[in-house]
Amino acid sequence: GAVVSQHPSWVICKSGTSVKIECRSLDFQATTMFWYRQFPKQSLMLMATSNEGSKATYEQGVEKDKFLINHASLTLSTLTVTSAHPEDSSFYICSARGGSGDNEQFFGPGTRLTVL
Amino acid sequence: AQSVTQPDIHITVSEGASLELRCNYSYGATPYLFWYVQSPGQGLQLLLKYFSGDTLVQGIKGFEAEFKRSQSSFNLRKPSVHWSDAAEYFCAVVSRDNYGQNFVFGPGTRLSVLP
Repeated sequence: GAVVSQHPSWVICKSGTSVKIECRSLDFQATTMFWYRQFPKQSLMLMATSNEGSKATYEQGVEKDKFLINHASLTLSTLTVTSAHPEDSSFYICSARGGSGDNEQFFGPGTRLTVL
Repeated sequence: AQSVTQPDIHITVSEGASLELRCNYSYGATPYLFWYVQSPGQGLQLLLKYFSGDTLVQGIKGFEAEFKRSQSSFNLRKPSVHWSDAAEYFCAVVSRDNYGQNFVFGPGTRLSVLP
């Protein structure tokens, strides 16, 4: 099946710094990528949807200036958490969908962000 | 509003026992339906999906799910649980009408398996 990778798998940073998380589709071209956030013992909440070459669409309540998303190519999307604070600590999961006719998304392994 | 419910937050079963995890959805029309499993600290793994056709869907690891339109349900089952099945299980739906529609996830059911 299609493979999606995320890098890094975990990151610890100081409050006020920015952190970039990469999401790559390894064996297919992802026309659309999604970024989710998951708090401990909770479900996944969609943060934003990005289509290659266009601006991301953010869900209500997600600060676009804080969570910068770039989908510059068909195999790479990045999420940058700017001026991170402890409340941004979470598990971030990306998913990617190709151009096929079904709506299956392939999920990355997730990135654990801890902000001190 | 579109929603997915998983009534059971936590289920404990003995190894070898049968399992059923419930999922109900509220949508205008039958959506695409999925079940995912997540081990601690890991990403999501697709167990099975329903698009159309046979309402009993077979998945990986011995799981199956049955779509019941009249009940708006897509319950996950396994006849004999293994200790390695302990994980978090998420039901998810996607609208058929719009390829741009994102997944809507249920709250999840945590499965514990007793030896």
